Amino acid sequence: GNSVTQMEGPVTLSEEAFLTINCTYTATGYPSLFWYVQYPGEGLQLLLKATKADDKGSNKGFEATYRKETTSFHLEKGSVQVSDSAVYFCAPGPSGAGSYQLTFGKGTKLSVIP
Amino acid sequence: DTAVSQTPKYLVTQMGNDKSIKCEQNLGHDTMYWYKQDSKKFLKIMFSYNNKELIINETVPNRFSPKSPDKAHLNLHINSLELGDSAVYFCASSLGQVNTEAFFGQGTRLTVV
Repeated sequence: GNSVTQMEGPVTLSEEAFLTINCTYTATGYPSLFWYVQYPGEGLQLLLKATKADDKGSNKGFEATYRKETTSFHLEKGSVQVSDSAVYFCAPGPSGAGSYQLTFGKGTKLSVIP
Repeated sequence: DTAVSQTPKYLVTQMGNDKSIKCEQNLGHDTMYWYKQDSKKFLKIMFSYNNKELIINETVPNRFSPKSPDKAHLNLHINSLELGDSAVYFCASSLGQVNTEAFFGQGTRLTVV
């Protein structure tokens, strides 16, 4: 099955700092790749996705590029805000016949301080 | 309209009790899931149903039993609750296809005392 190695947190940044959260994966085939965000007390929400190699997913100032050669999907944001404080999960999607589930990384907790 | 809704949001119960968590999705998806999130935020797949049929059944105690009366509903019943069952349980749904994401409910925080 698929597996994910995600940068361990917690990560604490000052407002307007640059953010990178590393994610590498192993998978059968070439699954879509997702970043989910979980704000305190809430469920997971899709932040962005990329469906094939070299695709860049982006949303709310966050970006991640599907790198097939390095099997990576690192999340970046140029200038974080206090409202970005949350837990971020990297997840390769289903791949191959009979595969239905997303496999989540352990999550990276981000705290942004004013 | 809430896409994936689960009830209750909070559940506090004593050890040894039996409880159920309900989940409904109005997205027309074929596949539904239950995930367990522990205190360290680690998400582990428990079960998945596709068109009311069980397709994923991870190593979960048989005290946990999912039931899917139709493809819009996937309920989780837990017998003889133990302290270690305390966690947040998330229901999710998806089209179950290769390039599609999952949509999550708000979670049920189960506390066993």
